Amino acid sequence: EVQLVESGGGVVRPGGSLRLSCAASGFTFGDFGLSWVRQAPGKGLEWVSGITWNSVVAGYADSVKGRFTISRDGAKNSLYLQMKGLRVEDTALYYCARDGRGGGSYFSDNWGQGTLVTVSS
Amino acid sequence: DIQMTQSPSSLSASVGDRVTITCRASQDISNKLAWYQQKAGKVPKLLIYAASTLQSGVPSRFSGSGSGTDFTLTISSLQPEDVATYYCQKYNSAPRAFGQGTKVEIK
Repeated sequence: EVQLVESGGGVVRPGGSLRLSCAASGFTFGDFGLSWVRQAPGKGLEWVSGITWNSVVAGYADSVKGRFTISRDGAKNSLYLQMKGLRVEDTALYYCARDGRGGGSYFSDNWGQGTLVTVSS
Repeated sequence: DIQMTQSPSSLSASVGDRVTITCRASQDISNKLAWYQQKAGKVPKLLIYAASTLQSGVPSRFSGSGSGTDFTLTISSLQPEDVATYYCQKYNSAPRAFGQGTKVEIK
């Protein structure tokens, strides 16, 4: 069974930093790309960033470009999101999601439960 | 960047009705379009990818069509358990933008 378990969320002041982690299991980690998707309270889904199976960064949403950095560690079967310069509008539930199988399958076929990030003074 | 626009933003239909949701891309995305279902308080679930391929385990009353810029998600016979918000997502290139969502309710 595919499992994606996010951690690292919390309350942080504007301008602060957080590092989110996603521990993956139940599949061959090195065979799949991964993404971060967020959802502000009561709002829709927003793709944040993605990374391919071989650690090529797919890109970032304009709203986080230059502030967030995605990475992965195959030895630890983990995905990360380093967030700096956090803003109130970054408050959201952050989901880790696995890409589909095969080249070009950059949709998300499995999702974690999410970790909540709250940016507030 | 390519924008994804869904319509309607919400709808109310009776059990057994045929429901159609539209998603329009601001540029050609070929068939690189996925649909997700998110029930209240739950994690999003993949329904359809490549515009029309049903994800394993998804009921056959769900179907997708379209290519280029115009796409549709159809529920052939709405069931009470289909109450949810539905999102389209383009994934031909980054950013992999989502539509704003369509909330489906039972009348």
